[in-house]
Amino acid sequence: GNSVTQMEGPVTLSEEAFLTINCTYTATGYPSLFWYVQYPGEGLQLLLKATKADDKGSNKGFEATYRKETTSFHLEKGSVQVSDSAVYFCALSGEETSGSRLTFGEGTQLTVNP
Amino acid sequence: EPEVTQTPSHQVTQMGQEVILRCVPISNHLYFYWYRQILGQKVEFLVSFYNNEISEKSEIFDDQFSVERPDGSNFTLKIRSTKLEDSAMYFCASSRGGGWGETQYFGPGTRLLVL
Repeated sequence: GNSVTQMEGPVTLSEEAFLTINCTYTATGYPSLFWYVQYPGEGLQLLLKATKADDKGSNKGFEATYRKETTSFHLEKGSVQVSDSAVYFCALSGEETSGSRLTFGEGTQLTVNP
Repeated sequence: EPEVTQTPSHQVTQMGQEVILRCVPISNHLYFYWYRQILGQKVEFLVSFYNNEISEKSEIFDDQFSVERPDGSNFTLKIRSTKLEDSAMYFCASSRGGGWGETQYFGPGTRLLVL
């Protein structure tokens, strides 16, 4: 079945450091891929998405490229801020199921120190 | 900006009791979902709902669970007889369409604790 694997956390960085959070997936066909972010005390918010191979999703300085050949959707940001501290979830939806259920990774806790 | 709301934010109940978790999806959305996250585990899909019926459910969503859209704005999840292992954060979500690439908008969650 569909599955998503994220790099183990937590991740702690200093402000202005480069961020990579790895995400790989297993799915049949061409799923859609998402990154959601959860700030403390809030629900999950869509950060970015890509719906076909080689698409790049971007938002708020974050980017991720849909790589079919490596089944990956790694999240990157060139210079993190303290306000980026949150939990980041990689997710997919795809043709294995009839609907649009999201399958999530484990979540990666990011802490950015000033 | 429209958002999904959920009530209550926290619920404590005794094992065997019924609970109803409430959600108000975004008003022009047509697809509704429930997910849950047991502490320390992944967010898991429970059920999707469209046109007043369940469109998909996971193996977690057994006969103890039911969903309803009672009045055209609320979307509820009922757990008939709670178990200790139902303790989790429950998230409601909604989307305009039901395709794979549709963005689902999540509420802040209800934390359920079963004692």
